[in-house]
Amino acid sequence: AQSVTQLGSHVSVSEGALVLLRCNYSSSVPPYLFWYVQYPNQGLQLLLKYTSAATLVKGINGFEAEFKKSETSFHLTKPSAHMSDAAEYFCAVIKTGFQKLVFGTGTRLLVSP
Amino acid sequence: EAEVAQSPRYKITEKSQAVAFWCDPISGHATLYWYRQILGQGPELLVQFQDESVVDDSQLPKDRFSAERLKGVDSTLKIQPAELGDSAMYLCASSGDGSSYNEQFFGPGTRLTVL
Repeated sequence: AQSVTQLGSHVSVSEGALVLLRCNYSSSVPPYLFWYVQYPNQGLQLLLKYTSAATLVKGINGFEAEFKKSETSFHLTKPSAHMSDAAEYFCAVIKTGFQKLVFGTGTRLLVSP
Repeated sequence: EAEVAQSPRYKITEKSQAVAFWCDPISGHATLYWYRQILGQGPELLVQFQDESVVDDSQLPKDRFSAERLKGVDSTLKIQPAELGDSAMYLCASSGDGSSYNEQFFGPGTRLTVL
């Protein structure tokens, strides 16, 4: 079964520092991978998606993620954190040919001044 | 900009009562999803509709939960009777044609508290 594992339930960074949120996937076939962001008491917003085109995917708000098949990883990065980036981030996977999104447990990003 | 609408945003109820949540997807979206998100966890799919038909309800607790999308547009999720463990955020999402490529657009959610 398709699944994703997010390492670290909480990540704390200072404003201006590099953001790195980790996601590893388990899939026997090439998956489609997604990162979503959720602000308090709101729905989820798509940051970026990997659908087997380019391995380096650029998303909104300056985020990007790199698909690494050898490491079964799809880590999310941003060069310089902003206070407004504080939120919950979810990695998700869809098995190709299916429609069901399977989410990780989430990583809460805390940004300090 | 088109958005997925949900109501109510917040609902407090006592156990054994009935509750209902409403979702209006983005106009023209054929696929509608209901997710449950327990605090501290990722969303979990409860039911997926393609137009008015259910295509996946494998995780829906059918003894107390029901969902319908009668005209293939808006949808209602009902819980009867509510239990303490049902306290969660209920998210609705929609996508264009149900392909695995398609972005799912999420509504703001309904936060349910069962006392």
